[in-house]
Amino acid sequence: DVKVTQSSRYLVKRTGEKVFLECVQDMDHENMFWYRQDPGLGLRLIYFSYDVKMKEKGDIPEGYSVSREKKERFSLILESASTNQTSMYLCASSPVGQDDNSPLHFGNGTRLTVT
Amino acid sequence: GQQLNQSPQSMFIQEGEDVSMNCTSSSIFNTWLWYKQDPGEGPVLLIALYKAGELTSNGRLTAQFGITRKDSFLNISASIPSDVGIYFCAGQGDFNKFYFGSGTKLNVKP
Repeated sequence: DVKVTQSSRYLVKRTGEKVFLECVQDMDHENMFWYRQDPGLGLRLIYFSYDVKMKEKGDIPEGYSVSREKKERFSLILESASTNQTSMYLCASSPVGQDDNSPLHFGNGTRLTVT
Repeated sequence: GQQLNQSPQSMFIQEGEDVSMNCTSSSIFNTWLWYKQDPGEGPVLLIALYKAGELTSNGRLTAQFGITRKDSFLNISASIPSDVGIYFCAGQGDFNKFYFGSGTKLNVKP
């Protein structure tokens, strides 16, 4: 089974703090993603990476950055946390499959509260 | 990003009943995916569909990839209390682009 592990289930941070959310997958997947999930808004893509040191902006990258130094690890960084970044953050990975038809596998999520 | 139209938004059913939910899109997808999410957890993949017209089962779950490639449905037969949760559809279009439904919240009364 694919395992995508997010380092924290719950985080509480103060406004202005720099926040790191870590994600590790154990299936040698090329693609990794960060989403945030909010009631009424569904899942929205923040950033994704299709290879080490490669990154692409998603739909809502403002206020976030990412780092992919190793294939198995994809970090989401909030440079200066704000209260509107309080949300559930979901990491996902997928392999590069035939015709790009490869499903996403999600981690358990990190619920971040910024006070 | 594009959202899929998923219905119904919520369902309240008796244990033992069958359930049906569906997703539609204005765009064609290469893959349709169905996930279940328990409270406070990440979505878990239930079924992946790769070909138009494909009908796939996973235990009591059955899903179909619509012929037009713009829709999919998920059926759950003989529901049980542990089926409670939120079910999401997702469509995969261009490379690495996934689009999600807003979810169907399922409640099962014992």
